Amino acid sequence: DAKTTQPPSMDCAEGRAANLPCNHSTISGNEYVYWYRQIHSQGPQYIIHGLKNNETNEMASLIITEDRKSSTLILPHATLRDTAVYYCIVGTNRDDKIIFGKGTRLHILP
Amino acid sequence: GAVVSQHPSRVICKSGTSVKIECRSLDFQATTMFWYRQFPKQSLMLMATSNEGSKATYEQGVEKDKFLINHASLTLSTLTVTSAHPEDSSFYICSAFTPGQRSPTGGYTFGSGTRLTVV
Repeated sequence: DAKTTQPPSMDCAEGRAANLPCNHSTISGNEYVYWYRQIHSQGPQYIIHGLKNNETNEMASLIITEDRKSSTLILPHATLRDTAVYYCIVGTNRDDKIIFGKGTRLHILP
Repeated sequence: GAVVSQHPSRVICKSGTSVKIECRSLDFQATTMFWYRQFPKQSLMLMATSNEGSKATYEQGVEKDKFLINHASLTLSTLTVTSAHPEDSSFYICSAFTPGQRSPTGGYTFGSGTRLTVV
């Protein structure tokens, strides 16, 4: 079973920041938080990952709570091309399998 | 870096025939590869895990004789759907893993998927 829970869907106005929450209350100390997104009929696209510190790259920021039981993915200026299903996943960053939950379907509104 | 090529992107086959899907890591060696299946409006479901040179480990409920996985090298894994039936029609996705410190994707890189339609 997936170790994460996410809201099934969210809306965000174009140009605004999209904040996608994820709960992972049973995360282990050596597990990372990964975020992927899937645009219709494509494979998952890597966005960002982190262990305990906040992370930022050219696509997004990842905020992980101090107790590591939840995190938020931030897309700073959402565009229509960000419409996708976003998956939050935990994994050990070794060759262990990763299990997908149901993800959040993000709708960007023009 | 960290590109996974999956081929074909879509295939239509007749009931009873077999179909092979290839997954290649183009610029890195993958110690482990994973195969997923995705039905419409559903999430990815893990089918099996394969390591180079050894037998694949299948998830509960996945028929190993129907979904043959070969991991012949550190850059190639294949999934063969044998005696395909219409209910096998789905979106199949592979993922290749390399240790995170050498990967810009945190270790796991996904292919673009294969749309299989069995008629």
